[in-house]
Amino acid sequence: DTEVTQTPKHLVMGMTNKKSLKCEQHMGHRAMYWYKQKAKKPPELMFVYSYEKLSINESVPSRFSPECPNSSLLNLHLHALQPEDSALYLCASSQVQGAGGDGYTFGSGTRLTVV
Amino acid sequence: QKEVEQNSGPLSVPEGAIASLNCTYSDRGSQSFFWYRQYSGKSPELIMSIYSNGDKEDGRFTAQLNKASQYVSLLIRDSQPSDSATYLCAVNMDRGSTLGRLYFGRGTQLTVWP
Repeated sequence: DTEVTQTPKHLVMGMTNKKSLKCEQHMGHRAMYWYKQKAKKPPELMFVYSYEKLSINESVPSRFSPECPNSSLLNLHLHALQPEDSALYLCASSQVQGAGGDGYTFGSGTRLTVV
Repeated sequence: QKEVEQNSGPLSVPEGAIASLNCTYSDRGSQSFFWYRQYSGKSPELIMSIYSNGDKEDGRFTAQLNKASQYVSLLIRDSQPSDSATYLCAVNMDRGSTLGRLYFGRGTQLTVWP
């Protein structure tokens, strides 16, 4: 089993809905990430949290709103999404070790469909 | 511009053959390199990490790194149909940063046929 847990695994939502994606890790990692991945494309970075503070926002539309309540949890709040936002949303975490970092551990992802 | 380039494939090899996956990166000072395997519809899974020039072996997998050429590769020996997946090369190019942010290549799709 992955050590990064994402819920839900699948989500179908209408364009007027509000929903949240959740991510939890208990590895003591201090950096957490949200990625979006479309079919046959590499993961695209959305947000980076380091020590519970937002460090990087890759010009993501405001209909995506991240939240990091504590060092183990990362949420992604969704509101008024578009059909083109349908994708696999991946959460990941890593040790904060600078250039010698040991890579990410990914969660299993949330398959989001916007109708 | 920080870029990671992979031969996009698809790459098709017979069972038992060696599969060779290649990756180049733009930042000469990069220190950490990773290979992820991703099955269709699943999340990426870390299979190899390498930090020093040379070869690193783990079972049927060998990662090779040449920092002077800015090149990293993954060899899969005795390829099995279960190795059929997309392989993502990822490089940490945030020197001096504590973020450990990875930059991903577009992936190489590998098919191993029986």
